[in-house]
Amino acid sequence: EVQLVQSGAEVKKPGESLKISCKGSGYTFSNNWIGWVRQMPGRGLEWMGIMYPGDSDTRYSPSFQGQVTFSADTSISTAYLQWNSLKASDTGIYYCARQVWTGLTDCFDHWGQGTLVTVSS
Amino acid sequence: DIQVTQSPSSLSASVGDRVTINCRTSQSINIYLNWYQQKPGKAPKLLISSASTLQSGVPSRFSGSGSGTDFTLTISSLQPEDYATYFCQHTSSTPCTFGQGTKLEIK
Repeated sequence: EVQLVQSGAEVKKPGESLKISCKGSGYTFSNNWIGWVRQMPGRGLEWMGIMYPGDSDTRYSPSFQGQVTFSADTSISTAYLQWNSLKASDTGIYYCARQVWTGLTDCFDHWGQGTLVTVSS
Repeated sequence: DIQVTQSPSSLSASVGDRVTINCRTSQSINIYLNWYQQKPGKAPKLLISSASTLQSGVPSRFSGSGSGTDFTLTISSLQPEDYATYFCQHTSSTPCTFGQGTKLEIK
């Protein structure tokens, strides 16, 4: 069974750094793109970007380019989302998701449970 | 970047009603369009990929149609468990933007 398990909720102050994780199981982690999606409180889904763990190829949304960093450790089947200097506007739920090619399109077929990040002074 | 406009933003309907949700993209995306369902406090769930392919385990009352720039998600007979927020997403090119969402509420 494919599963993505994310790290727990975080409370941080503006200017602090943070790295959250997403551990995959039940499939060959290196062989599928992993996406990150933000959901601000009471808002919709924002596509942040995707990373291919097998070769670290990364595609960032222009809205998030330079604001976050994706990485992965294939030896432990884990993807990471990192901030160097958090802002209050980074508050939200962050989901990781496995991207698959169905033969007709890409889609996110399995999702993590989400990590709530709260940034407040 | 391709813009995705989803409508309506909210919808009130009764059990048994037929419901349609629309998604329009700013340029043609062939059938590179997916639909997701999200319930409160839960992660999104993939319902339909490539505009009309129902995912395994998704009830047949859900269907998707469209190609090019205009797409529709239809629920043929609304059930109590269908009350949720629905999002479309294009995957034609990065960034793979989501629509703004449609919150389906009980009438």
